[in-house]
Amino acid sequence: NAGVTQTPKFQVLKTGQSMTLQCAQDMNHNSMYWYRQDPGMGLRLIYYSASEGTTDKGEVPNGYNVSRLNKREFSLRLESAAPSQTSVYFCASSEFQGRIFQYFGPGTRLTVT
Amino acid sequence: GIQVEQSPPDLILQEGANSTLRCNFSDSVNNLQWFHQNPWGQLINLFYIPSGTKQNGRLSATTVATERYSLLYISSSQTTDSGVYFCHGGTSYGKLTFGQGTILTVHP
Repeated sequence: NAGVTQTPKFQVLKTGQSMTLQCAQDMNHNSMYWYRQDPGMGLRLIYYSASEGTTDKGEVPNGYNVSRLNKREFSLRLESAAPSQTSVYFCASSEFQGRIFQYFGPGTRLTVT
Repeated sequence: GIQVEQSPPDLILQEGANSTLRCNFSDSVNNLQWFHQNPWGQLINLFYIPSGTKQNGRLSATTVATERYSLLYISSSQTTDSGVYFCHGGTSYGKLTFGQGTILTVHP
């Protein structure tokens, strides 16, 4: 049982390049989330998927798109990376509605130059 | 959305000391977690505690939901307790907010 896994662990992009961050969970959770963490700050919600087939914007969605590929996988895409998107990205998942107990992946450290 | 305020922002302790971290919410929450982010960046679940009191070894947490705050107690601190402690709460999937964190440094 690996929990929540993320790939890649590290990535360096040039401004304007695109990339997709992958996230998968093996806990049969319905809900999945993408957060970003900037230095000295807490995590901020980018997008979330309450259940398979649905996605919704969080606090900071601009510049990102997401895909809930199936129940296990939730990807985050940067279409045209900007230096302001340099951050550590965390994926999380949670179990059934009414009790949002989140489990986090190890994070992806992204640098945009 | 809900505002989450954590205090203190920084805490420096000698090994063996006790500490209390606090989290205040601007509105009622029915989901609340405490996390420890270790020096390698990993987020570790400590407690799910929307109300009441829980204990796990040297750590315990209390949430007074009617007064919109939660406390995390660390007793007999160890150097491995160092890192950032976050509280995280809200009412629904898209309305969960992290606090800014308390940076804890425990010296041997």
